[in-house]
Amino acid sequence: DIVMTQSPDSLAVSLGERATINCKSSQSVLHSSNNKNYLAWYQQKPGQPPKLLIYWASTRESGVPDRFSGSGSGTDFTLTISSLQAEDVAVYYCHQYYSTPPMYTFGQGTKLEIK
Amino acid sequence: EVQLVESGGGLVQPGRSLRLSCAASGFTFDDYAMNWVRQAPGKGLEWVSGINWNSVNIAYADSVKGRFTISRDNAKNSLYLEMNSLKPEDTALYYCAKDRGLYGLGSPFDYWGQGTLVTVSS
Repeated sequence: DIVMTQSPDSLAVSLGERATINCKSSQSVLHSSNNKNYLAWYQQKPGQPPKLLIYWASTRESGVPDRFSGSGSGTDFTLTISSLQAEDVAVYYCHQYYSTPPMYTFGQGTKLEIK
Repeated sequence: EVQLVESGGGLVQPGRSLRLSCAASGFTFDDYAMNWVRQAPGKGLEWVSGINWNSVNIAYADSVKGRFTISRDNAKNSLYLEMNSLKPEDTALYYCAKDRGLYGLGSPFDYWGQGTLVTVSS
């Protein structure tokens, strides 16, 4: 199975400052056939289901503010929030959907708080 | 508007069975793969199972393989999870989640239900 490891486990950032969350996969999630990274990011607020933010490592889902961006390739990925807003307080998860046959896995989550 | 509504959760004794349902609306159900994802209380997300649009491709996490069975009824716009030989470690909020891409597995999950809580305890 592909193991997804996020860092840090928790993060406190001041309002308006940049927040960076990292995700490392135990093997590459870059598919050679289409040159796409099978990596997504989700945001989960308390009492709510996860919300898809980013897919293919760097494509923002419709309606997601442009302060959210994703980068990386192969085994190392980053979610960046360029200017933290109060409503961004949440737990963030990375997710690989590369495995064939499917054996999808999530990172352990990163809790983002306001400093 | 896409809606996914899970039902069927509850308190069940270890070793017993439970069947979860997910009613889908607001999209062409039989165009998309569907998944079950669970979240133990205070813990992270764990993918449980996925099924493609026509039920030909089905996959399970190792933790539930041989005990859980995923199925779908496209005529009823519904997804199911039959859970047998339940263990205390199966206690979780179970989410139904829709694949973003058409037909096959191998996409992120763009819509999630609110979840149904399964508690396995004597």
